[in-house]
Amino acid sequence: KAGVTQTPRYLIKTRGQQVTLSCSPISGHRSVSWYQQTPGQGLQFLFEYFSETQRNKGNFPGRFSGRQFSNSRSEMNVSTLELGDSALYLCASSLIAGGLGETQYFGPGTRLLVL
Amino acid sequence: AQSVTQLDSQVPVFEEAPVELRCNYSSSVSVYLFWYVQYPNQGLQLLLKYLSGSTLVKGINGFEAEFNKSQTSFHLRKPSVHISDTAEYFCAVRPNSGYSTLTFGKGTMLLVSP
Repeated sequence: KAGVTQTPRYLIKTRGQQVTLSCSPISGHRSVSWYQQTPGQGLQFLFEYFSETQRNKGNFPGRFSGRQFSNSRSEMNVSTLELGDSALYLCASSLIAGGLGETQYFGPGTRLLVL
Repeated sequence: AQSVTQLDSQVPVFEEAPVELRCNYSSSVSVYLFWYVQYPNQGLQLLLKYLSGSTLVKGINGFEAEFNKSQTSFHLRKPSVHISDTAEYFCAVRPNSGYSTLTFGKGTMLLVSP
């Protein structure tokens, strides 16, 4: 079974631009979560989607948004990029992300550099 | 809310030596506990998880962890490390009810040298 895939793997943007990142979960997984990883803040939760609905949201400004499609693929968008948005963006998928201790499987991430 | 503290940002160790990576957590509700590993330029891979039952959990690559409820700790151990274990290790928790996400610690970089 193929793992979680993320595209693109690397991205360079300039301040003020917007960016869209894509995540394809493991086949059959319906929950997709996004995390931002930076050296200073570590791994921070952005949002989680299940069956095309945002179920959880982290403490990020409204410039960060996402969506999930009917095939469970997910995209996240960052508008009006700032230098501080430079980070590794990780996507994780799981069956339902319920309280059953199920594992979240992570993709390789998209490394975004904002100049 | 939950929080996770990984007490060491870096742990240097020689090859074939034992290692312990420390993790403490704080939560007002019962949680599940996880250890993930991140190799350079890769995503996170699950090493092991504690859901219930025996407090000693065995994972992949010879790692094990012990859950201590009274000390709210979940330390990761390996009796003999290899060069290939050089990576960043993350401890994480998730409440054991409801739909919730993982809360991660800041990570511990394990540096294994010959």
